[in-house]
Amino acid sequence: GNSVTQMEGPVTLSEEAFLTINCTYTATGYPSLFWYVQYPGEGLQLLLKATKADDKGSNKGFEATYRKETTSFHLEKGSVQVSDSAVYFCALSGETSGSRLTFGEGTQLTVNP
Amino acid sequence: KAGVTQTPRYLIKTRGQQVTLSCSPISGHRSVSWYQQTPGQGLQFLFEYFSETQRNKGNFPGRFSGRQFSNSRSEMNVSTLELGDSALYLCASSLRFGQGGENYEQYFGPGTRLTVT
Repeated sequence: GNSVTQMEGPVTLSEEAFLTINCTYTATGYPSLFWYVQYPGEGLQLLLKATKADDKGSNKGFEATYRKETTSFHLEKGSVQVSDSAVYFCALSGETSGSRLTFGEGTQLTVNP
Repeated sequence: KAGVTQTPRYLIKTRGQQVTLSCSPISGHRSVSWYQQTPGQGLQFLFEYFSETQRNKGNFPGRFSGRQFSNSRSEMNVSTLELGDSALYLCASSLRFGQGGENYEQYFGPGTRLTVT
């Protein structure tokens, strides 16, 4: 079946540091890949997505590239802010699974001023 | 456009009771999915409804059920509550049910926090 593995957290960075959160997946065919963010006390917000190999999703300074050869979708940001502190989830939707999302474990990011 | 709304936001129930949670999707969205979020198991898919029919089901016991109404609003029910059912229940809506490689972006509500004592 489908699965997503994220790097273990929590991750603590200083403001303006570079961020990478690793995500790898297992799925048949060509899944769609997503990064969601969850702020305290809130639901999930879609941060970015990529629907085919070599696609790069980007939003609010965050980027991730769909790498079919390494089955990865790592999240990066060049300069994090305190307001980026949240939990980040990598997720996939399989070709035949409708809208069903399979999530990674989540990575807690804390950015200190 | 109003987002996904879930009611109630917080709920405290006693073991053995049953509970019903409600979700109103974004206007025009016809697919509704439910997820359970716990610290131990993370985010797990419960089920997805489209056009009042369950299209997809996760690996949960039969105590967990749902339905969708003609206006696309959805409810989920948990009977005979157990302590382990304490969780944040998230509802997500999308335009349609994706088939044959189609994929429709999901928009999540704020969740219902269920505590079972």
